[in-house]
Amino acid sequence: DTGVSQNPRHKITKRGQNVTFRCDPISEHNRLYWYRQTLGQGPEFLTYFQNEAQLEKSRLLSDRFSAERPKGSFSTLEIQRTEQGDSAMYLCASSSVGQRYGYTFGSGTRLTVV
Amino acid sequence: AQKVTQAQTEISVVEKEDVTLDCVYETRDTTYYLFWYKQPPSGELVFLIRRNSFDEQNEISGRYSWNFQKSTSSFNFTITASQVVDSAVYFCALSEKDYGQNFVFGPGTRLSVLP
Repeated sequence: DTGVSQNPRHKITKRGQNVTFRCDPISEHNRLYWYRQTLGQGPEFLTYFQNEAQLEKSRLLSDRFSAERPKGSFSTLEIQRTEQGDSAMYLCASSSVGQRYGYTFGSGTRLTVV
Repeated sequence: AQKVTQAQTEISVVEKEDVTLDCVYETRDTTYYLFWYKQPPSGELVFLIRRNSFDEQNEISGRYSWNFQKSTSSFNFTITASQVVDSAVYFCALSEKDYGQNFVFGPGTRLSVLP
């Protein structure tokens, strides 16, 4: 287990379709985060899990977005009825309680809505 | 509200030049944490440094150094003797919670180091 894994790396979808992304964190990390990064901008916080509990959600996470971490391991982020404004890089990160050097990020899933 | 400003959108330098990336932050919290991350073309964010608001000592790590000045709310990052492999987007980030629970990122500075 060498890092945070995200799948797929790229996703192209038609407007109105649903998409789901997966994140596999570092196995011993109990905290998991989703961020969204649009072109030319820094990442923006979406949501945070500690184990299986979703403890924080950003106002950016509209009701079309849902995230789960059912067994406290991998997480999924689903976007329903995609819009062109959803086109972005979706980044996942993980950390452990007491980790003093920030998160470990995955390489992201790039979503393009056409 | 928290905010991070990185006024330099893009910087180009020639290899071996020194370069400083600026970061100015705003927060009302007395305890906060500042970070720098590097994002190479591959996309993943690579942690570089974490600094808490009570530790104003400057830090050097190899060719990297950081200058934290609370009086001016700045946390600048200098690369000495830059190399082509330093080419990336660099993000400064701020968090008010322990260990960066949810960051506020700046817009990033794209650094190009030319051979």
